[in-house]
Amino acid sequence: EVQLVQSGAEVKKPGESLKISCMGSGYSLTSYWIAWVRQMPGKGLEWMGIIYPGDSDTRYSPSFQGQVTISADRSISTAYLQWSSLKASDTAMYYCARRRGSSLNWFDAWGQGTLVTVSS
Amino acid sequence: QSALTQPASVSGSPGQSITISCTGTSSDVGTYDLVSWYQQHPGKAPKLIIYEVTQRPSGVSNRFSGSKSGNTASLTISGLQAEDEADYYCCSYAGSSIFVFGGGTKATVL
Repeated sequence: EVQLVQSGAEVKKPGESLKISCMGSGYSLTSYWIAWVRQMPGKGLEWMGIIYPGDSDTRYSPSFQGQVTISADRSISTAYLQWSSLKASDTAMYYCARRRGSSLNWFDAWGQGTLVTVSS
Repeated sequence: QSALTQPASVSGSPGQSITISCTGTSSDVGTYDLVSWYQQHPGKAPKLIIYEVTQRPSGVSNRFSGSKSGNTASLTISGLQAEDEADYYCCSYAGSSIFVFGGGTKATVL
């Protein structure tokens, strides 16, 4: 069974750094793109960016370029989303999702979400 | 790229049909037959219900159907049931491995 398991909830202060993770199981993570999606409290889904763990090819939404960094470690089948300096406005639920294939442009598996709370 | 445009809410009585529109541009919905739809219940992760405009994944009810005309895609839920009350999001491929979501629509079963 394909599963994406995300790291647990985080509570951080403004200015702190953070790296959250998404581990794939039941399939080879290196063969599928992994996207990150933000959902602010009470709001809709926002596509942030995507990485192909096989060669670390990464694309960002213009809205998130420079604000976050997406990376992956093929050896442990894990993708990451990180911030160098968090803001209160980064408070949100973050989901990772698997793109079905390089020419199969939909997301067929989702992680359970990681809630990030940034507050002083 | 800008978010795709969806109505904030739609509603219908049990057994009726509702349709949710998703309007993009010639750079995304209008160019690619690669619109997908996701259902999200409160506190849950999104779930894929339609891909490539009209295709249903295995296990998804045939009461869900999709279509597209020009820059607008649509999701229709027929035979509305209480369990269909949820948020629905469209998503379009926009080229170069970039995607864009719609703002979401809350579907209410009266």
